[in-house]
Amino acid sequence: EPEVTQTPSHQVTQMGQEVILRCVPISNHLYFYWYRQILGQKVEFLVSFYNNEISEKSEIFDDQFSVERPDGSNFTLKIRSTKLEDSAMYFCASRVGEEEYFGPGTRLTVT
Amino acid sequence: SQELEQSPQSLIVQEGKNLTINCTSSKTLYGLYWYKQKYGEGLIFLMMLQKGGEEKSHEKITAKLDEKKQQSSLHITASQPSHAGIYLCGAAESGTYKYIFGTGTRLKVLA
Repeated sequence: EPEVTQTPSHQVTQMGQEVILRCVPISNHLYFYWYRQILGQKVEFLVSFYNNEISEKSEIFDDQFSVERPDGSNFTLKIRSTKLEDSAMYFCASRVGEEEYFGPGTRLTVT
Repeated sequence: SQELEQSPQSLIVQEGKNLTINCTSSKTLYGLYWYKQKYGEGLIFLMMLQKGGEEKSHEKITAKLDEKKQQSSLHITASQPSHAGIYLCGAAESGTYKYIFGTGTRLKVLA
């Protein structure tokens, strides 16, 4: 069974620090996504990535956020200067055809 | 902006009972996804519907997209404790590749 993996599972950081969340999508997938879910709230779309560039991003995905696919396998989300309100579960997903596979998530806690 | 509203918000059923969860969109849907999420974990893709009137089944779960493509229902037949979790509908916002999610329906199945 193919799976999307994410590391770390839990990251605690101080406000203002940079964090990088890592994802390894399924190898033959072409579309990659980052979502976040603040505790008790809806899942929110952050960004979609196709053909090594951002295809769509939400209003949440401001200049503090960036994504990269540095080596053809990893897919990273960077938050440059974290804020308290960035505390959430961050999910990576990859898609091929109709099926979308989500990673288990990284719980980011900003203190 | 487009919104997805799910009902009911939560549901407790006795094992063996059938149940239905609804997802209503404020605008026409061009693809509707159903996911299951266990608390604190990633989303599991269940199925995707695209055409009005389309119906898909996976094991004891059936989902349908209505003809006008503004509402979808997810039906579980003979529920089991393993069906417990949060069911989410998701869709690409009309005319974009930005994904939105419903509010979720929390299902508990009593053995």
